[in-house]
Amino acid sequence: DTGVSQDPRHKITKRGQNVTFRCDPISEHNRLYWYRQTLGQGPEFLTYFQNEAQLEKSRLLSDRFSAERPKGSFSTLEIQRTEQGDSAMYLCASSLGGGVPDTQYFGPGTRLTVL
Amino acid sequence: GNSVTQMEGPVTLSEEAFLTINCTYTATGYPSLFWYVQYPGEGLQLLLKATKADDKGSNKGFEATYRKETTSFHLEKGSVQVSDSAVYFCALIGSSNTGKLIFGQGTTLQVKP
Repeated sequence: DTGVSQDPRHKITKRGQNVTFRCDPISEHNRLYWYRQTLGQGPEFLTYFQNEAQLEKSRLLSDRFSAERPKGSFSTLEIQRTEQGDSAMYLCASSLGGGVPDTQYFGPGTRLTVL
Repeated sequence: GNSVTQMEGPVTLSEEAFLTINCTYTATGYPSLFWYVQYPGEGLQLLLKATKADDKGSNKGFEATYRKETTSFHLEKGSVQVSDSAVYFCALIGSSNTGKLIFGQGTTLQVKP
């Protein structure tokens, strides 16, 4: 069990640029979640996948955000035309799915800074 | 909708002091409740959890009891250490169990020697 990994750990970009983050979940986990955390706040849910199916998206996920999990393993989160308000820590978590409770394990996060 | 409210921080304690961090929630049905901890420079880690009323979650000397009558899940530790300094998040998963975690805003704990 190598844990949830995220890449890159830090990303600095200029406003208007596109960025893509990657998350590798724990290998046997079916569910994968994306959250966003801004300074001094708790994480906020963005979206989640059950295998390759994206089952729920938050209203926070504007049209500029897209997430994929093409083979039910790793996932990518892309932000197009970044804005300064997108600066945050993007967290990925994974879980087995179906358990009560369904315990989520978090990666270290990708910190995005939009200049 | 579901929500979690935590006490404002930061909380500053001396080593070996008693800790309480208050957490209350709003949810329909019977949510599952969690405490996560974020140590400086590290990712979120599950500290403890409880799935039904009167359950007590415990780990590393920390405890929290699921109180449905007061919709609370307060975190306690009898004797804190400097190494407990971190940000603590209370969270819930609603009874529909889509798995979506709803977090409180976090409480920073600083323990001084």
